[in-house]
Amino acid sequence: SQTIHQWPATLVQPVGSPLSLECTVEGTSNPNLYWYRQAAGRGLQLLFYSVGIGQISSEVPQNLSASRPQDRQFILSSKKLLLSDSGFYLCAWSVQGGGYTFGSGTRLTVV
Amino acid sequence: QKEVEQNSGPLSVPEGAIASLNCTYSDRGSQSFFWYRQYSGKSPELIMSIYSNGDKEDGRFTAQLNKASQYVSLLIRDSQPSDSATYLCAVNLYSSASKIIFGSGTRLSIRP
Repeated sequence: SQTIHQWPATLVQPVGSPLSLECTVEGTSNPNLYWYRQAAGRGLQLLFYSVGIGQISSEVPQNLSASRPQDRQFILSSKKLLLSDSGFYLCAWSVQGGGYTFGSGTRLTVV
Repeated sequence: QKEVEQNSGPLSVPEGAIASLNCTYSDRGSQSFFWYRQYSGKSPELIMSIYSNGDKEDGRFTAQLNKASQYVSLLIRDSQPSDSATYLCAVNLYSSASKIIFGSGTRLSIRP
């Protein structure tokens, strides 16, 4: 069966520090991968998605970047965090036309 | 106009009653429709998918789709306190089948 791993679960980082969040998927090949952010009490904002290794589409220009170095690995990064980067970060995977399966999420607080 | 619109609620329903959640979407070419449940502090969980007009039933849940009216709904029968959560409607984009757009969610509260 397919599983998605996302870590860490919580993170507190100072303003200006770097960020690296990792997501891996097991049990499927060539999945579509996604990074979402959910601010407190708000909806899901699509940040990046990838349909294959090295293929990244950015939805919202901002202080973040994404990479897909392997078929089932998706990484979200920042060189310098801002206070506005705080939120609940969710990784998800899907196959074409199907619904998304989300990871357990990372709650990031920038202080 | 938002691509996927939901009433934010809260929607309060007595235990044992039917909860009705509604969603409208703007992309007339959309083909795939989903309902997610999100408990506070947790990630969304897919509970229903529907791809053709009509009703689809799964246990206490029924999804209804009307593409002509660009409307999708979720009915929860025999509502339980454990159904209290935020329900997110999601729709794929015709222009990019890889992308799903989420509504902002309806908060449902089941009162004993």
